[in-house]
Amino acid sequence: DAGVTQSPTHLIKTRGQHVTLRCSPISGHKSVSWYQQVLGQGPQFIFQYYEKEERGRGNFPDRFSARQFPNYSSELNVNALLLGDSALYLCASSLGTASYEQYFGPGTRLTVT
Amino acid sequence: AQKVTQAQTEISVVEKEDVTLDCVYETRDTTYYLFWYKQPPSGELVFLIRRNSFDEQNEISGRYSWNFQKSTSSFNFTITASQVVDSAVYFCALSEAWGGNQFYFGTGTSLTVIP
Repeated sequence: DAGVTQSPTHLIKTRGQHVTLRCSPISGHKSVSWYQQVLGQGPQFIFQYYEKEERGRGNFPDRFSARQFPNYSSELNVNALLLGDSALYLCASSLGTASYEQYFGPGTRLTVT
Repeated sequence: AQKVTQAQTEISVVEKEDVTLDCVYETRDTTYYLFWYKQPPSGELVFLIRRNSFDEQNEISGRYSWNFQKSTSSFNFTITASQVVDSAVYFCALSEAWGGNQFYFGTGTSLTVIP
């Protein structure tokens, strides 16, 4: 079975622009979570969606938003990009919420110039 | 407050040595879950183990073993007879049953195994 897939792999944007990152979970997984990983740090939780509803939100500004589609794929949107948004954005899928292990995709490397 | 602390930033060992990676967590929940992940140079996080707060039994999987001690809020990871392929960044993570489904990751321990 295919693992978690993310697109694009790399992205370069300019300050103030908007970006959309995409994630497809493992087949059968209904939960998708998004994380931001800055170089040298652990992943920081942004959102979790389960059955198309937001089930968790980390400490990120309102410029960050996400949604989950009926096929359980997900998009992460970031508006008004700042230099500090440059990071690896990771998507993880799981069968459920807090108690389930999450399986991570390869990530999208976002560079904001 | 930081929920997961991995005090060891970097560790280097010679191949075949044993190494223990420390993880200390903080939570007020009585029901919680602990995880270890490996992030090799390729960048993709790989799930290693999940433990719930009611199961303090130590676990062994091949060269890997985990020691969960609620009394000290620790969930340590030992690699026996380390190999070069073990070189990676290892993350410990915590999720709480009533904590909004958020995973809290530590800052990671970078392990280098020298041949």
